[in-house]
Amino acid sequence: NAGVTQTPKFRILKIGQSMTLQCAQDMNHNYMYWYRQDPGMGLKLIYYSVGAGITDKGEVPNGYNVSRSTTEDFPLRLELAAPSQTSVYFCASSARLAGDEQFFGPGTRLTVL
Amino acid sequence: RKEVEQDPGPFNVPEGATVAFNCTYSNSASQSFFWYRQDCRKEPKLLMSVYSSGNEDGRFTAQLNRASQYISLLIRDSKLSDSATYLCAVESGGSYIPTFGRGTSLIVHP
Repeated sequence: NAGVTQTPKFRILKIGQSMTLQCAQDMNHNYMYWYRQDPGMGLKLIYYSVGAGITDKGEVPNGYNVSRSTTEDFPLRLELAAPSQTSVYFCASSARLAGDEQFFGPGTRLTVL
Repeated sequence: RKEVEQDPGPFNVPEGATVAFNCTYSNSASQSFFWYRQDCRKEPKLLMSVYSSGNEDGRFTAQLNRASQYISLLIRDSKLSDSATYLCAVESGGSYIPTFGRGTSLIVHP
């Protein structure tokens, strides 16, 4: 199993550009999450999904959108990139919502200039 | 008070030392607790879950103190390879999604 995969690994965007961060998992997990991690800080939840077709906002959703058309994929869309979105983005999945380990992808390092 | 708080450190200890970190949480209804390890420029990986009765995995011991609302991680006989950031994660009763602390940096030196 590849686990959770993310692409791209690195990206530099100009202010106002848009992009999609890809995330896929092959563990048949229903629950998927997007976090951002700023230097020296913990993980902040952007969006999460409890199954295909169902998504909900986390703590810091502004400037982002998500979709979940399949169990495997959970892309994160950045519209009109801003310098404040410079961060490391981690996608994660879990088999259950409560009391379960989260498996993280390797992350995407995004810089907005 | 922040939902989940950790001392960012760094904790700088010699090999063989015993070191302990705490993580405090504000929601008394919190149900599940975890410690994750994050190496530099890598993703977090689960180190251990924290059970009410406490649990041990080799050199690592995790404990929960509900009365004072904190969890702890004890590392005995520290190795160079233990150098990393240790994130605590606490699931609150409402959303079931864990809130992560900012992490505690551990540096083990020869």
